[in-house]
Amino acid sequence: DTGVSQNPRHKITKRGQNVTFRCDPISEHNRLYWYRQTLGQGPEFLTYFQNEAQLEKSRLLSDRFSAERPKGSFSTLEIQRTEQGDSAMYLCASSPPLSYEQYFGPGTRLTVT
Amino acid sequence: AQTVTQSQPEMSVQEAETVTLSCTYDTSENNYYLFWYKQPPSRQMILVIRQEAYKQQNATENRFSVNFQKAAKSFSLKISDSQLGDTAMYFCAFMGSGAGSYQLTFGKGTKLSVIP
Repeated sequence: DTGVSQNPRHKITKRGQNVTFRCDPISEHNRLYWYRQTLGQGPEFLTYFQNEAQLEKSRLLSDRFSAERPKGSFSTLEIQRTEQGDSAMYLCASSPPLSYEQYFGPGTRLTVT
Repeated sequence: AQTVTQSQPEMSVQEAETVTLSCTYDTSENNYYLFWYKQPPSRQMILVIRQEAYKQQNATENRFSVNFQKAAKSFSLKISDSQLGDTAMYFCAFMGSGAGSYQLTFGKGTKLSVIP
């Protein structure tokens, strides 16, 4: 049973560039979540999907951020026109049906220079 | 909005000893879930233990146990027989039970170091 995977693990980009991260949840997990974790802080919720539907979005998710989960499988998180304040670890988690437990991936560390 | 407070930024414990990490939370909900997650250095977040607010019995998972005080809104984690592999950041997290509410609200974490 493979865990949640995220790619890339590290991304360095210049301010103003667009970046896209991918998350592959555990097989048959119908809920998928994105969190952002900055240095010295706990993760902060960004958004979550149930199957392919995006059901909740945090006010942290500005209009430069967009997330998709086509066909209810993997998910992508895109950040347009990156800013230095976007530098953080982006975590993905998934949950099986009828469970409130979330299983986290290793994260994608974004550095905006 | 719910808040989670971990008042101990860093703690240390001798190997084989017992340590308790503190967590308090604020909510107006009656039913909810509480979690402790462990994040080892450069490794992914792992669920350590969970507690449903409607259960009076404190959860236990091997060497990990919680002291859940609902009235005081307190949820501490006790690690017994500490091992070197317990060195990690520990995050307390809250999840409401409202319809469609699955987001976790985390505290800032406690960095635990187990000393040989």
